[in-house]
Amino acid sequence: QKEVEQDPGPLSVPEGAIVSLNCTYSNSAFQYFMWYRQYSRKGPELLMYTYSSGNKEDGRFTAQVDKSSKYISLFIRDSQPSDSATYLCAMSASTDKLIFGTGTRLQVFP
Amino acid sequence: DAGVIQSPRHEVTEMGQEVTLRCKPISGHDYLFWYRQTMMRGLELLIYFNNNVPIDDSGMPEDRFSAKMPNASFSTLKIQPSEPRDSAVYFCASSFTSGRRQTQYFGPGTRLLVL
Repeated sequence: QKEVEQDPGPLSVPEGAIVSLNCTYSNSAFQYFMWYRQYSRKGPELLMYTYSSGNKEDGRFTAQVDKSSKYISLFIRDSQPSDSATYLCAMSASTDKLIFGTGTRLQVFP
Repeated sequence: DAGVIQSPRHEVTEMGQEVTLRCKPISGHDYLFWYRQTMMRGLELLIYFNNNVPIDDSGMPEDRFSAKMPNASFSTLKIQPSEPRDSAVYFCASSFTSGRRQTQYFGPGTRLLVL
């Protein structure tokens, strides 16, 4: 079993939809949780960062962490075609080594 | 700042040849990471350095892979000899730690194809 599991998709939604992306993990020591966005033929870039449990909101993006269920989510409201990308969850027990999910490919069509 | 710089951006080589990938991290960052990304396995950490010292190389697949960081502004990942299964996108990332926060900044990647 992988330490971090993520549905690869692809996920195809119409513009304006609410998107929910999820990851599960097995290591209870993880306390740093991140979402990275990766456009085609580019490197990943940090989108959201959360320490421990709880919610964090940034514009149209909301990250949720449920440590009791070992489950994290990223919600995108009012999705736009420019949100079309691969979204990777990442997590860590310390401030250096990250473990990444395999990524979920999202396509938002006009 | 120019961000993390990687070269070459694309590399096509034949099986058995030596491949050297290069990375220049963001100035002031004290961590440097090498990753490999494939469709099947996703983004895998190969090795990382802190202050130019290798900390964890447990992700390096085998002895054909080696990495060096001779100074704070340069690192190389070498594959010798290369094999077709090494075909992937190789990313370099750098970061610095501020309190509990560490943000890794990725380079554009090197697309390697081994024929």
